[in-house]
Amino acid sequence: NAGVTQTPKFQVLKTGQSMTLQCAQDMNHNSMYWYRQDPGMGLRLIYYSASEGTTDKGEVPNGYNVSRLNKREFSLRLESAAPSQTSVYFCASSEGGGAFFGQGTRLTVV
Amino acid sequence: QKEVEQNSGPLSVPEGAIASLNCTYSDRGSQSFFWYRQYSGKSPELIMFIYSNGDKEDGRFTAQLNKASQYVSLLIRDSQPSDSATYLCAVIGDDKIIFGKGTRLHILP
Repeated sequence: NAGVTQTPKFQVLKTGQSMTLQCAQDMNHNSMYWYRQDPGMGLRLIYYSASEGTTDKGEVPNGYNVSRLNKREFSLRLESAAPSQTSVYFCASSEGGGAFFGQGTRLTVV
Repeated sequence: QKEVEQNSGPLSVPEGAIASLNCTYSDRGSQSFFWYRQYSGKSPELIMFIYSNGDKEDGRFTAQLNKASQYVSLLIRDSQPSDSATYLCAVIGDDKIIFGKGTRLHILP
């Protein structure tokens, strides 16, 4: 049972490049989330999806887009990366209770 | 903006003592409360959840909830060096899980 799987684990982008972070869960959870974690800032919610076919903005959505492809998959896209988006990104899923997290993606934008 | 507040620490506790971690939240309608542990360079791991006022015990961990005061706490008894980590308080509201910034706990051998 893999739980929540994120790819890639590490990525370096140049300013202005685009990329998509992938997330998949095998726990049949309805809710999925994307967070970013920066030193001293805790986990900040970027976007979330309460169920397949729905997405909503979190605290810090600017510069990001998401797609809930199906119940298992929830991707995060950076259309034009900026240095301010250098962070560790976590995907999580839940079913009415606590969330389970992927291993994280460490993204550096230079 | 719904908020979850925690003291960032570090909180230093001698090995074998009780560590007490605190959290307050702003949304009075919140119903579900969670504690996560995060080791450096790792992802958060769910360790406790509580939904009702009062105490909930699981091994060395006790979560306490006081909805009237909008206050959640986590007690760790018989603290071990392996408990050294950042502890994140989280609250569910409107389908969103909102996290505090976390408290760094350091257990002194």
